[in-house]
Amino acid sequence: DIVMTQSPDSLAVSLGERATINCKSSQSILTRSKNKNYLSWYQQKSGHPPRLLISWASTRESGVPDRFSGGGSGTEFTLTIGSLQAEDVAIYFCQQYYSTPYTFGQGTKVEIK
Amino acid sequence: QVVLQESGPGLVKPSETLTLNCSVSGVSIASGGHYWSWIRQQPGQRPEWIGYIYYTGATGYKPSLMGRVSMSVDTSTNQFSLRLTSVTATDTAVYFCAGALGATGRFDPWGQGTLVTVSS
Repeated sequence: DIVMTQSPDSLAVSLGERATINCKSSQSILTRSKNKNYLSWYQQKSGHPPRLLISWASTRESGVPDRFSGGGSGTEFTLTIGSLQAEDVAIYFCQQYYSTPYTFGQGTKVEIK
Repeated sequence: QVVLQESGPGLVKPSETLTLNCSVSGVSIASGGHYWSWIRQQPGQRPEWIGYIYYTGATGYKPSLMGRVSMSVDTSTNQFSLRLTSVTATDTAVYFCAGALGATGRFDPWGQGTLVTVSS
């Protein structure tokens, strides 16, 4: 199985400041033939299902604010919240869909400082 | 807009079989395109992918659950189902159904989830 590891486990950021979450995969999740990274980022608020924010490592989904951005390739990825808003308080998960079983990171809890 | 809704018992006894259904609206399962997955999440833990099914009945399961898990699809009712046998307390979780389009593991949308507790 591909192991997904996020850092940090939690972070507290002031409103309007930048938040950055890291995600590492135990093997490359880049398909060279298609030049695509099979990585998604999800936001999960308490009592709700995860919401897909970004797929293919950097493609923002429809309706997702542009303060959310994804980057990285191969085995190292980042999710950046450019200017943290109160409604961004949540747990964020990365997930690989390069190969089954699809696996998630352990999550990063984002709070307001 | 594709909407998914899970249904099934909230309490299952140890050693018995957990069965959940997912109703899909907004798209016909038979139209193809989407892969349909079950994902579970224990309290405070990361989500765990259980498996997927396509409208043809083709499936893919998490290897550690193979032998206990099966999925089925009913295109006439636009539903798909999860069956997990010989459950134990470690199967207690919120179970989500989810669709995937464009790639089998790119999960969007998700159902709201249903809590299943395994207890006597």
